[in-house]
Amino acid sequence: NAGVTQTPKFQVLKTGQSMTLQCAQDMNHNSMYWYRQDPGMGLRLIYYSASEGTTDKGEVPNGYNVSRLNKREFSLRLESAAPSQTSVYFCASSEKTLDRDSPLHFGNGTRLTVT
Amino acid sequence: SQQGEEDPQALSIQEGENATMNCSYKTSINNLQWYRQNSGRGLVHLILIRSNEREKHSGRLRVTLDTSKKSSSLLITASRAADTASYFCATVVFWGKSTFGDGTTLTVKP
Repeated sequence: NAGVTQTPKFQVLKTGQSMTLQCAQDMNHNSMYWYRQDPGMGLRLIYYSASEGTTDKGEVPNGYNVSRLNKREFSLRLESAAPSQTSVYFCASSEKTLDRDSPLHFGNGTRLTVT
Repeated sequence: SQQGEEDPQALSIQEGENATMNCSYKTSINNLQWYRQNSGRGLVHLILIRSNEREKHSGRLRVTLDTSKKSSSLLITASRAADTASYFCATVVFWGKSTFGDGTTLTVKP
């Protein structure tokens, strides 16, 4: 099992460029999430999808859009990148919603630098 | 501010010693989870404790939860160099959201 796979692993963008971060899970999980992690800080939730066909905003959604393409895939799009979006982005999945005691399974992250 | 806050921010111990890190939070929770992050990697789930539980064990890990004080602690017994990592608590309030603290960086010296 690959678990949660994120692509690309590294990316450098210029201010104003757009890009899509890809995430796929092979565990048949219902819920998927996008987090960002800035140096010395914990993870902050950007968007989440409780099930296929639904998405909701998290703590820091501004400047991002998401698509739950199917049960396996959940992508994160930056329409016009800004230096403040320089961060490490983590995708995660869970079998059920988190209040049903379902832990998160994380990918290894995408390290994004916006110059 | 973050729902969960870990204490201390950094901890350095010798191999074989015990490591204790604490997490405090502000609002009522559904459950609390602890994760480990090795350098340059994603987070790995360690243990989950429900709001109606007070203590839970998994191997060398012991987690306690005091809902009256809104705090939790993670104890790692007989630490090994391989335990060197950052440790995060995550609190679950709503069905779709978990809130992470800023983490405790643990260094175990061989």
